[in-house]
Amino acid sequence: DTEVTQTPKHLVMGMTNKKSLKCEQHMGHRAMYWYKQKAKKPPELMFVYSYEKLSINESVPSRFSPECPNSSLLNLHLHALQPEDSALYLCASSQDLAGDNSPLHFGNGTRLTVT
Amino acid sequence: AQKITQTQPGMFVQEKEAVTLDCTYDTSDPSYGLFWYKQPSSGEMIFLIYQGSYDQQNATEGRYSLNFQKARKSANLVISASQLGDSAMYFCAMREHVDAGNNRKLIWGLGTSLAVNP
Repeated sequence: DTEVTQTPKHLVMGMTNKKSLKCEQHMGHRAMYWYKQKAKKPPELMFVYSYEKLSINESVPSRFSPECPNSSLLNLHLHALQPEDSALYLCASSQDLAGDNSPLHFGNGTRLTVT
Repeated sequence: AQKITQTQPGMFVQEKEAVTLDCTYDTSDPSYGLFWYKQPSSGEMIFLIYQGSYDQQNATEGRYSLNFQKARKSANLVISASQLGDSAMYFCAMREHVDAGNNRKLIWGLGTSLAVNP
């Protein structure tokens, strides 16, 4: 069983909808990540939060808006998405962003389809 | 230039045999971590094994072992006694410094698709 929980597992939304992806971890990790993954490609980093502060934004379009309400929760708010945003969205956590090389632990992902 | 190279887009192995998945890396950072992840068709990204740049011994986790050759900058994954459930995409990744603030990012290879035949 994964220790990083993502909801929902699947999401279909129209281009005018607003939706949110949720991620939760209870491993005491202080870094949390959002990745986007297209089929048969490696994950692409979108955002990193470290100690609940946004540390890395990989020039992601503003229609994706991350939020870290507390050290265990990470949200990704979606608004006015495009069909090319359809992908698997993975959340991950690690002990820290800096100072160590500990592994990232991933959730099961949300399969997003934009119609 | 690719920092993580996986030269085998697809591999086949017979059930119960061992298989080696290749990974070479490029970094000038003296402190880095090497990882292998497994991603079945269902999508979850499963952490398999970790090797630190200063580790003297090769990492092992059950049927997985990492053949770490630092001078050659290679970190091959060996899966012993393959099982049907091992059929998946396997990604090699490296965590290294990316900025002066000591932040570290994960750099990914393109993956190897492994099929285990009965």
